[in-house]
Amino acid sequence: DAKTTQPTSMDCAEGRAANLPCNHSTISGNEYVYWYRQIHSQGPQYIIHGLKNNETNEMASLIITEDRKSSTLILPHATLRDTAVYYCIVNVQGQNFVFGPGTRLSALP
Amino acid sequence: DVKVTQSSRYLVKRTGEKVFLECVQDMDHENMFWYRQDPGLGLRLIYFSYDVKMKEKGDIPEGYSVSREKKERFSLILESASTNQTSMYLCASSPGRFEKLFFGSGTQLSVL
Repeated sequence: DAKTTQPTSMDCAEGRAANLPCNHSTISGNEYVYWYRQIHSQGPQYIIHGLKNNETNEMASLIITEDRKSSTLILPHATLRDTAVYYCIVNVQGQNFVFGPGTRLSALP
Repeated sequence: DVKVTQSSRYLVKRTGEKVFLECVQDMDHENMFWYRQDPGLGLRLIYFSYDVKMKEKGDIPEGYSVSREKKERFSLILESASTNQTSMYLCASSPGRFEKLFFGSGTQLSVL
């Protein structure tokens, strides 16, 4: 059974924030939320991860709800280079990552 | 930045050939991984290694072997290539066991 649910695809306007949702209603207390993305014909790229608190780095922000049943990845100013498949993964550290189908984000000019 | 380099971007081989896919990382990571990616099936773990000369089977090890003689290098070997091994092969490294993974650009292997 899939641990996460993501929309199949999304569009965002270049220069605007892209908000990618992820539902993980069965997440357990020791599972982290990870985000990766895969640009066409390249390997996946790690973006960010978190446990309970919101996280921010140079690429994105991760907002996790208080009950931890959902999260949102925010790309603050989307560009055409952010067009990719975005994977939300919940994982206990030390276990293999399971990459689902993800969300195909298209940044539009 | 971590760099994971895969030796070939595209590779075409014949059925029955022995195939070597090479991967090198430059960040002194303990852990290295080989995945394959197929449309509709996502990424599947073939083998991983958490130390030199150590290896563990992933979810789909059949038909593959690996070699880790040096910390920075992890090789995937197809002993006798078959057409169902046509796929995108992705190497990754990680500072800890299944911590954030750093991937190479992939090798698209076609077995004819």
